[in-house]
Amino acid sequence: EDQVTQSPEALRLQEGESSSLNCSYTVSGLRGLFWYRQDPGKGPEFLFTLYSAGEEKEKERLKATLTKKESFLHITAPKPEDSATYLCAVQGLGYKLSFGAGTTVTVRA
Amino acid sequence: NAGVTQTPKFQVLKTGQSMTLQCAQDMNHEYMSWYRQDPGMGLRLIHYSVGAGITDQGEVPNGYNVSRSTTEDFPLRLLSAAPSQTSVYFCASSYSDSGWDGYTFGSGTRLTVV
Repeated sequence: EDQVTQSPEALRLQEGESSSLNCSYTVSGLRGLFWYRQDPGKGPEFLFTLYSAGEEKEKERLKATLTKKESFLHITAPKPEDSATYLCAVQGLGYKLSFGAGTTVTVRA
Repeated sequence: NAGVTQTPKFQVLKTGQSMTLQCAQDMNHEYMSWYRQDPGMGLRLIHYSVGAGITDQGEVPNGYNVSRSTTEDFPLRLLSAAPSQTSVYFCASSYSDSGWDGYTFGSGTRLTVV
């Protein structure tokens, strides 16, 4: 069974204080690893898809990296508008997504 | 372009009642799915569809029914509501079942069963 564990559960940052979120996974044949952002009361919003170890993707202050066992979401010089819950999901051979519980990031001005 | 529209946004049911959560998308996406989100847990797949007339079970299908008569609509039916079905429900769609270009999620239905 595919499993995804995200850490930490919550992260409080000062504006401009860079940090990283971790997503550890076990999957039978990784087809893709996904990062989503979720704001309170909203549905998740797609950020990135990573396909193979060593791959990196960037979007504004966010950069996602992938190894064979985990992925990191780096937030560089965050702003208050980066406050959200970040979800990680993996897709194995069955095409279905398995989601982690998420990391809630709060950025204080 | 509305994306994925879910109705209602909030619903309170009594144990044993039935209801249908509506989901519609206007992006001509073939793949649609229903998830539930509970505190401290990841999104869990209830049912999914890879096209009109085709549905299949996900991780937690018991107590739920789906049908897909058109590409646009994918309603989720609760047959006899139970308190364990109190949750936030999300509908999602994508161009293909791989989801590699990202799923588009609706804004959710918050359901309370008393």
